Amino acid sequence: AQSVSQHNHHVILSEAASLELGCNYSYGGTVNLFWYVQYPGQHLQLLLKYFSGDPLVKGIKGFEAEFIKSKFSFNLRKPSVQWSDTAEYFCAVNLMDSSYKLIFGSGTRLLVRP
Amino acid sequence: EADIYQTPRYLVIGTGKKITLECSQTMGHDKMYWYQQDPGMELHLIHYSYGVNSTEKGDLSSESTVSRIRTEHFPLTLESARPSHTSQYLCASSEDDTLVDSPLHFGNGTRLTVT
Repeated sequence: AQSVSQHNHHVILSEAASLELGCNYSYGGTVNLFWYVQYPGQHLQLLLKYFSGDPLVKGIKGFEAEFIKSKFSFNLRKPSVQWSDTAEYFCAVNLMDSSYKLIFGSGTRLLVRP
Repeated sequence: EADIYQTPRYLVIGTGKKITLECSQTMGHDKMYWYQQDPGMELHLIHYSYGVNSTEKGDLSSESTVSRIRTEHFPLTLESARPSHTSQYLCASSEDDTLVDSPLHFGNGTRLTVT
């Protein structure tokens, strides 16, 4: 069965530290890839997406992610985190078959200490 | 701000009660979805709809049912709530099922507790 794995469930960083959140998926076909973020008390919102072209995609608030097809990975990065980045981050994969199902990972809860 | 609205935000009810979780969107999206999320777990798709009078079950088996009589409205009903239904329920919508041109828009969720 298709799945999305996020390796870190909880991450604690100090401000200005670099961030990398891992995401791997298991599906051999064509996919679109997403990172969603949920700030405390808010709804899930799109952070960035990849569907074709340059495998390095940039999103809002200085986040970027790199699609490595050979590794089935789509890791999220930010060079220098801020306290306001404290949130839960979800990786998601849209299977580009007839079902167009969006499969989510279990999320990574990031706490940035000021 | 969200253009997709879920009510109630929190609900505590007793076992055996019938409940309906409301979800409405003002964007005219054809595609709507219900996800179930437990703490520290993936969001699981339990129902989806591609338009009026279209409803499908998702990957996670659920005892809930949905209806889609109007484009903007996608309510979820539990005929007889049980403690195992305690969870967060997230409603979402999209204009495009590939999500390339139109991302998934989420509501704030309903946190349901069944005692």
